Amino acid sequence: AQSVTQPDIHITVSEGASLELRCNYSYGATPYLFWYVQSPGQGLQLLLKYFSGDTLVQGIKGFEAEFKRSQSSFNLRKPSVHWSDAAEYFCAVGDAGNNRKLIWGLGTSLAVNP
Amino acid sequence: DGGITQSPKYLFRKEGQNVTLSCEQNLNHDAMYWYRQDPGQGLRLIYYSQIVNDFQKGDIAEGYSVSREKKESFPLTVTSAQKNPTAFYLCASRDPGQQNIQYFGAGTRLSVL
Repeated sequence: AQSVTQPDIHITVSEGASLELRCNYSYGATPYLFWYVQSPGQGLQLLLKYFSGDTLVQGIKGFEAEFKRSQSSFNLRKPSVHWSDAAEYFCAVGDAGNNRKLIWGLGTSLAVNP
Repeated sequence: DGGITQSPKYLFRKEGQNVTLSCEQNLNHDAMYWYRQDPGQGLRLIYYSQIVNDFQKGDIAEGYSVSREKKESFPLTVTSAQKNPTAFYLCASRDPGQQNIQYFGAGTRLSVL
């Protein structure tokens, strides 16, 4: 069965420090992969996506993610975190079947210390 | 501006009452989705619709109902059969030109009085 695992429920980093959020997936074929961000009480915003091609993808707000097929991972990174990055981050894998559903991880909550 | 509008932002339900959450989009997307979000449980799919006049149950459809009479609208009714309705509800639509990308509304928080 397809699944997405975000091993870290909660992460705290200091402002200016680097960040890596982990995402592992289980999927039979080449997946469509996504990272979304959610500020408190808000909807989800797409940060970046991977469909094919270059395995390092750039997104909005200075985020990037790397697709590693051998590790079934799609980790999100940012070289220097800002206080405004504090939010919930969700990894998702796209089901390429007819229903086009997204399979979601449980999310990682990011806190940023000043 | 194109987007997805959910209303109301906050909603309160009395025992035994049905309530309806509105979701409207002007993105010209065919597919729309309803999710429920509880702390620590991520997003769980309630219902989805690929096209007007058609919809399918998601993973947690019990106690909910939907309709899709217009392309722009996908309202969700939380019925009295849903015994634990307190949650954050998110509506999304999918861009047909981009594989699986979903765009979200700002959500409705439903609480029980």
